[in-house]
Amino acid sequence: AQSVTQLGSHVSVSEGALVLLRCNYSSSVPPYLFWYVQYPNQGLQLLLKYTSAATLVKGINGFEAEFKKSETSFHLTKPSAHMSDAAEYFCAVSTLRGNNDMRFGAGTRLTVKP
Amino acid sequence: DTGVSQNPRHKITKRGQNVTFRCDPISEHNRLYWYRQTLGQGPEFLTYFQNEAQLEKSRLLSDRFSAERPKGSFSTLEIQRTEQGDSAMYLCASSLGGGKLFFGSGTQLSVL
Repeated sequence: AQSVTQLGSHVSVSEGALVLLRCNYSSSVPPYLFWYVQYPNQGLQLLLKYTSAATLVKGINGFEAEFKKSETSFHLTKPSAHMSDAAEYFCAVSTLRGNNDMRFGAGTRLTVKP
Repeated sequence: DTGVSQNPRHKITKRGQNVTFRCDPISEHNRLYWYRQTLGQGPEFLTYFQNEAQLEKSRLLSDRFSAERPKGSFSTLEIQRTEQGDSAMYLCASSLGGGKLFFGSGTQLSVL
């Protein structure tokens, strides 16, 4: 079965610094990959998704992620962190077009220091 | 678009009692998912509906758990004879496909 591993349960950066959140996946078939964000007291929201079209995927709020098959990775980046980026970030993988087999990682909590 | 609505937001119950949660998805969404999330973990898949048909159930879903989606609209998740290990946030999501799931804010269950 497919799975994702998020490296680092907590990441802390200074405002304006690069954000890098790591995700590695395991799948026996070409995967669909996603990043979701959860702000305090809110539901998860889709940030971006990879569906085999382009390996570099741009999402909302200046985030992007690059699919690297050789490294089985899908790391999330943002060039300059903003205070409003503080949240929990979840990587997810699916193998079916209907995405009814979507599986999430354990999450990475991002803290942004002023 | 009023989003995915879940009720109640919080539920406190005693061990052995039955509880039922409701999820109202975005009206035109045919796919509906239930997940469970515990502290420090990501959402764990429980079950999936396409319209009124329950197409997949996780092995996590013991026979104490049952979910329905009558008429393909709202869904209910019932837990019978609750145990302390059932304490978690129960999340509902709906989708039209394409991997974009819209999540509700969840129902926090505490079993005493």
